[in-house]
Amino acid sequence: EPEVTQTPSHQVTQMGQEVILRCVPISNHLYFYWYRQILGQKVEFLVSFYNNEISEKSEIFDDQFSVERPDGSNFTLKIRSTKLEDSAMYFCASRRESSYNEQFFGPGTRLTVL
Amino acid sequence: KNQVEQSPQSLIILEGKNCTLQCNYTVSPFSNLRWYKQDTGRGPVSLTIMTFSENTKSNGRYTATLDADTKQSSLHITASQLSDSASYICVVRPTSGTYKYIFGTGTRLKVLA
Repeated sequence: EPEVTQTPSHQVTQMGQEVILRCVPISNHLYFYWYRQILGQKVEFLVSFYNNEISEKSEIFDDQFSVERPDGSNFTLKIRSTKLEDSAMYFCASRRESSYNEQFFGPGTRLTVL
Repeated sequence: KNQVEQSPQSLIILEGKNCTLQCNYTVSPFSNLRWYKQDTGRGPVSLTIMTFSENTKSNGRYTATLDADTKQSSLHITASQLSDSASYICVVRPTSGTYKYIFGTGTRLKVLA
């Protein structure tokens, strides 16, 4: 059964460093998302991506964040200068064309900023 | 402000028992409401999806109900199993024009043998 994969599973970085979180969505999916979940808190929407451009983003997704689909397969989230408060689980998700289709989530990347 | 509130915050039940989790939302209008199961340290997995016109949706031992008038949804789990121990999250998509799914804080369920 196809699934969304994410790498790495755990990333530790120093404050101020750049990190790139990688996701491989399900191959026939067209919509891609990034979410984050701070430990013990609810999942929060970051950004949605369709047709090679951002379709929507939240207030959290400021200039420090960027997304890219460089090769038609990978979907990446870059944080340019990490802050302590960026420590969280980051989930990638994808879905097919219809808005009623379910989103499939990846296993997440745990980002720890020291 | 669009919000999704869930209760109880946590719940402990014995294996084989039934339970019902609640979700109240202030999102209006909304496109659909989803229930997810999230195991610790894993991504959420979809259980049910309901549009505003649907009252109930089942997926095996999971049955979700929706009352769009009172803006309430519930998830009923029948004959619980140890593997049901997880967080259950109610998620609302405001309208078809936005992708900003709004997540509830979840109910943490623990099933004991």
